[in-house]
Amino acid sequence: AQSVTQLGSHVSVSEGALVLLRCNYSSSVPPYLFWYVQYPNQGLQLLLKYTSAATLVKGINGFEAEFKKSETSFHLTKPSAHMSDAAEYFCAASPPGTASKLTFGTGTRLQVML
Amino acid sequence: EAGVAQSPRYKIIEKRQSVAFWCNPISGHATLYWYQQILGQGPKLLIQFQNNGVVDDSQLPKDRFSAERLKGVDSTLKIQPAKLEDSAVYLCASSLRLAGHDNEQYFGPGTRLTVT
Repeated sequence: AQSVTQLGSHVSVSEGALVLLRCNYSSSVPPYLFWYVQYPNQGLQLLLKYTSAATLVKGINGFEAEFKKSETSFHLTKPSAHMSDAAEYFCAASPPGTASKLTFGTGTRLQVML
Repeated sequence: EAGVAQSPRYKIIEKRQSVAFWCNPISGHATLYWYQQILGQGPKLLIQFQNNGVVDDSQLPKDRFSAERLKGVDSTLKIQPAKLEDSAVYLCASSLRLAGHDNEQYFGPGTRLTVT
């Protein structure tokens, strides 16, 4: 069975600072990996995904993530935070070959300060 | 392109009452999912449909939860009777198909259920 761990339920950064949200997975085989963003009272929106191709994945809104098999990690980064990035971020995994059967982490709330 | 629609957006009921949620997926999407998102946790898959057939309902509490997707389009999720621990946001998602590296789930805005 696969599981996803997000370190840090809350992360605060200053506007313009680097954003780093951590995600580690546990799976017998490398899964497909996803980052979703959730704004208040809205559904989840896909930021980016890793599906066994390039290990550095670029997504929307300037976010990117790197798949590191040796570290079983898929951390999300953005060079410069913007106020509009304040939201809840979820890392998720699915068995390779499908984007179904998503297992989500517990989420990280990103706060961006002036 | 219209997104995944859900109704109602909010619902407050007393424990032991029943409640139903409705979901209309993106047109042409064969796969439909219902998730439960408890406050402070990530979404948990309750049930997954492919057209009008159930693919996975292993995490659905079948003694009180039921779901159907008649005609392979709209879906309803029902809770009867509700318990306090059912308070959560119920998210519906849809995807074009069941598998494939380019498959993507699109989420609706959710229904926030409060059981008092």
